[in-house]
Amino acid sequence: EDQVTQSPEALRLQEGESSSLNCSYTVSGLRGLFWYRQDPGKGPEFLFTLYSAGEEKEKERLKATLTKKESFLHITAPKPEDSATYLCAVQATGANSKLTFGKGITLSVRP
Amino acid sequence: DAGVIQSPRHEVTEMGQEVTLRCKPISGHNSLFWYRQTMMRGLELLIYFNNNVPIDDSGMPEDRFSAKMPNASFSTLKIQPSEPRDSAVYFCATHRGRSSGNTIYFGEGSWLTVV
Repeated sequence: EDQVTQSPEALRLQEGESSSLNCSYTVSGLRGLFWYRQDPGKGPEFLFTLYSAGEEKEKERLKATLTKKESFLHITAPKPEDSATYLCAVQATGANSKLTFGKGITLSVRP
Repeated sequence: DAGVIQSPRHEVTEMGQEVTLRCKPISGHNSLFWYRQTMMRGLELLIYFNNNVPIDDSGMPEDRFSAKMPNASFSTLKIQPSEPRDSAVYFCATHRGRSSGNTIYFGEGSWLTVV
């Protein structure tokens, strides 16, 4: 069974204080690893898909990296508007396209 | 593009009542997912349709839950009878299909409270 574990559960940062969010996963065969952002009262919003170990993707202050066992979401010089819950999910190879999600990391950035 | 549209956004109902949640997928997307989100368990897949056919319903908790996709533009998730433990946010999500990339797009969710 596919499993995704995210840590820490919650993270509080000062504005400008860079940090990383961890996503550990086990999957029979990885088709893709996804990062989503979720704001309170909203649905998850797609950020990145990573397909193979060593791949990196960037968007503004966010950079996602992937190894064979985990993914990191690095946040450089965060701002208060980066406060949200960040969800990691894996999609396995095969005909089923479903995503298996971790429980998320709630990030709070203080001004 | 209007995105995935869900209704109702909020529903409060009494235990034992029937609840129907609705989803309109993004036009051209042929895969549709129903997820449930709670604080304790996070996002859990309930059922997955491809080309209107249910592919994986292993996440449907029990017979009180049922889902249909009568056409490519509409899906429903029904709970009958509802129970307080069904209180959660229910998300519909869709994607275009494997050959066109894997990104899955979510609606804004239906917030269900059963009292």
